[in-house]
Amino acid sequence: AQSVTQLDSHVSVSEGTPVLLRCNYSSSYSPSLFWYVQHPNKGLQLLLKYTSAATLVKGINGFEAEFKKSETSFHLTKPSAHMSDAAEYFCVVSDPGNTPLVFGKGTRLSVIA
Amino acid sequence: DSGVTQTPKHLITATGQRVTLRCSPRSGDLSVYWYQQSLDQGLQFLIQYYNGEERAKGNILERFSAQQFPDLHSELNLSSLELGDSALYFCASSVEAGGYIEQFFGPGTRLTVL
Repeated sequence: AQSVTQLDSHVSVSEGTPVLLRCNYSSSYSPSLFWYVQHPNKGLQLLLKYTSAATLVKGINGFEAEFKKSETSFHLTKPSAHMSDAAEYFCVVSDPGNTPLVFGKGTRLSVIA
Repeated sequence: DSGVTQTPKHLITATGQRVTLRCSPRSGDLSVYWYQQSLDQGLQFLIQYYNGEERAKGNILERFSAQQFPDLHSELNLSSLELGDSALYFCASSVEAGGYIEQFFGPGTRLTVL
């Protein structure tokens, strides 16, 4: 069965500095991987997804993630944090076929002015 | 706005009661998913329907049930409610049922059981 581990429950960065949110996954197959963002009192929004095409995936709002099979990682990065990036971020894995999404426990990103 | 609507936004009820949460998927989406988000359990998949048929089941309690109607909207029924059922319940929809398909999430229904 697939699983996801988000290595940090809370990350705090200064505005304008890089963001790194770490995610490791476990899957028996070639998984699909996603990052979703949840702003306070809002639903979840897809940031980006990896589905076995290019290993470097670009998403919305300047975020990107790199799929590293050898390290079973899918870390999320952004070169320069903005105040509006403060939110909860979820790394998600899904095996091929009709399997449900499996969510990590989330990483809360705080951005300090 | 994802195009997925959920009603009601908030629900406050007492232990032992029964409630129904409603979800309307995006136009054209055949698959509907229900998730529960709580502080201690995180985000958990409950159940999936595809074009009216149950497709996958997750950590859904026997006290909970769901269905998808011919117009593709879905309802999640929660009965014999307990304090621990207090959570944010999300509905999501997708065009197809594959695991690689992006799911679009509604804003959620916040259930408080007193």
